[in-house]
Amino acid sequence: AQTVTQSQPEMSVQEAETVTLSCTYDTSESNYYLFWYKQPPSRQMILVIRQEAYKQQNATENRFSVNFQKAAKSFSLKISDSQLGDTAMYFCAFFGGADGLTFGKGTHLIIQP
Amino acid sequence: DVKVTQSSRYLVKRTGEKVFLECVQDMDHENMFWYRQDPGLGLRLIYFSYDVKMKEKGDIPEGYSVSREKKERFSLILESASTNQTSMYLCASSLPGQGSTEAFFGQGTRLTVV
Repeated sequence: AQTVTQSQPEMSVQEAETVTLSCTYDTSESNYYLFWYKQPPSRQMILVIRQEAYKQQNATENRFSVNFQKAAKSFSLKISDSQLGDTAMYFCAFFGGADGLTFGKGTHLIIQP
Repeated sequence: DVKVTQSSRYLVKRTGEKVFLECVQDMDHENMFWYRQDPGLGLRLIYFSYDVKMKEKGDIPEGYSVSREKKERFSLILESASTNQTSMYLCASSLPGQGSTEAFFGQGTRLTVV
């Protein structure tokens, strides 16, 4: 079974700074997908960014980008020019094989004014 | 917009009761998932389904069962609710293709078992 590890339970940065959230995973699959989800206080889970494992190019969505290192099984999320509205729980997720969509334990990101 | 609707946002049940949590999606998605979310533990997969009448155990299926009689509806059943099942429950759906598209989530049901 695959596992997803987020080693930072909580992070706090100042508004406008850049922050990187780490995620590592373990799998024997060669073809899979990775995701970062955001959960604000409203509880609604929102997709931030996704990466297909067969693509070498790192995904980017506006201020959000990933650093995907397939050999190291690492999938970090970089948020540039952080904003107060980025305050939320962030979950890394893995989808591949027969085990469904697996999430890490999450990182609580706090953006300070 | 894709909509995943969970029947209740808050629910209080007594120990030993049979509890049904309903989830309905309106985008003809094949995949549906049930998770529970607890502080410090993230989202843990209880059951998932890739099609009508199909179900697969996730990481923590004990004490739960599911039903998928129609494509749009995926029900989570607590046969005999216990206090350790007090949690936030999240339902999600997605298209097939091994997760090539995003999963859409409901608003969650905060269940308290007393």
